[in-house]
Amino acid sequence: DAGITQSPRHKVTETGTPVTLRCHQTENHRYMYWYRQDPGHGLRLIHYSYGVKDTDKGEVSDGYSVSRSKTEDFLLTLESATSSQTSVYFCAISDGDTSYTEAFFGQGTRLTVV
Amino acid sequence: QKEVEQNSGPLSVPEGAIASLNCTYSDRGSQSFFWYRQYSGKSPELIMFIYSNGDKEDGRFTAQLNKASQYVSLLIRDSQPSDSATYLCAVNKDTGFQKLVFGTGTRLLVSP
Repeated sequence: DAGITQSPRHKVTETGTPVTLRCHQTENHRYMYWYRQDPGHGLRLIHYSYGVKDTDKGEVSDGYSVSRSKTEDFLLTLESATSSQTSVYFCAISDGDTSYTEAFFGQGTRLTVV
Repeated sequence: QKEVEQNSGPLSVPEGAIASLNCTYSDRGSQSFFWYRQYSGKSPELIMFIYSNGDKEDGRFTAQLNKASQYVSLLIRDSQPSDSATYLCAVNKDTGFQKLVFGTGTRLLVSP
């Protein structure tokens, strides 16, 4: 998986608690992304980063925040988890500034909010 | 209307046959088009991308793009049971980096 590590791989949490997912890369790629994958919706972009401390919202950013203090780490935080945030979360990385640069995905984190 | 549409399948083909997977997109300004394969419980992996009208071949895989019809397809020749997976079509509307919009995927089943 192209030097991408997501942690934790599985997590069960209670409604209303904060949760942080971590994505760590060893490829020194500039761009990092968080997607969620749900049946019937496919992969949807939550937030992305185009450099240290540079982040922006994706398609489904409500209820999520991100931070990138180092090139290699991109954190996704659910401020107050809800059952609708039960999903599989994928981190992705890419490099280069063209529209056809390959994006590599991490192994995924399965999050269950009860 | 979803931005990227795929038939969810499953598409069942016998081993050795050609599998044809289709995808339509709504934004005429879309720049590049990707096919990812995802095995159950695993992460998506890129098969190939295309950004010019016409065909692009890579081994047993051929991607076809028709921007006038807003249609992209993936042909898998000599299908193998190991090709059984979900195939995700993704579109990049940006001229820069990878802000991909994904379809929901087509599940392909190749029977021995």
